[in-house]
Amino acid sequence: AQSVTQLDSQVPVFEEAPVELRCNYSSSVSVYLFWYVQYPNQGLQLLLKYLSGSTLVESINGFEAEFNKSQTSFHLRKPSVHISDTAEYFCAVSAANAGNMLTFGGGTRLMVKP
Amino acid sequence: DADVTQTPRNRITKTGKRIMLECSQTKGHDRMYWYRQDPGLGLRLIYYSFDVKDINKGEISDGYSVSRQAQAKFSLSLESAIPNQTALYFCATSERGGSDTQYFGPGTRLTVL
Repeated sequence: AQSVTQLDSQVPVFEEAPVELRCNYSSSVSVYLFWYVQYPNQGLQLLLKYLSGSTLVESINGFEAEFNKSQTSFHLRKPSVHISDTAEYFCAVSAANAGNMLTFGGGTRLMVKP
Repeated sequence: DADVTQTPRNRITKTGKRIMLECSQTKGHDRMYWYRQDPGLGLRLIYYSFDVKDINKGEISDGYSVSRQAQAKFSLSLESAIPNQTALYFCATSERGGSDTQYFGPGTRLTVL
């Protein structure tokens, strides 16, 4: 079985400041890693995912995440946040042979202040 | 139009009532999922279906049942609602393959009094 821990339930940050949302996972098998974002009153949508290859993956809106196998981490970063990045962010993992069953972390609420 | 729709969007009901939440998708995906979201717990899987004839229990299926009426429709029922089933419920879909993105509906906020 897999598990995911998001170490911060809330992260307040000022606009244009950098941010890191932390995610650690536990699994005895190879995994795929995902970050989903939930904007207020909406469903979740994929932000980025790591499947294989380069350990650094990027989204179209400036976020990036790095897969660190030795640390079992997949932290999400953005060098300069905008008000519109205010949302809840979920890290998720699926075992590579488990047919797309996702295990989610508890979520981190990013609050960007002007 | 949205690819994954859920009805109703909000529902308030009383303890002991039977409730059905419906999900429809136009993405043509075989796989569909029902999750519940609770603050601090993230999303937890209730049931999933890999095709019309394949339905499986997830992590927290007790108190819930599902029906896959067609490839595009997947309904979640609460046979006898209780207050701790108050939550935000999401339906999702994906194509075959463990690495595939899941596409979520807008959610149903259910309150059981």
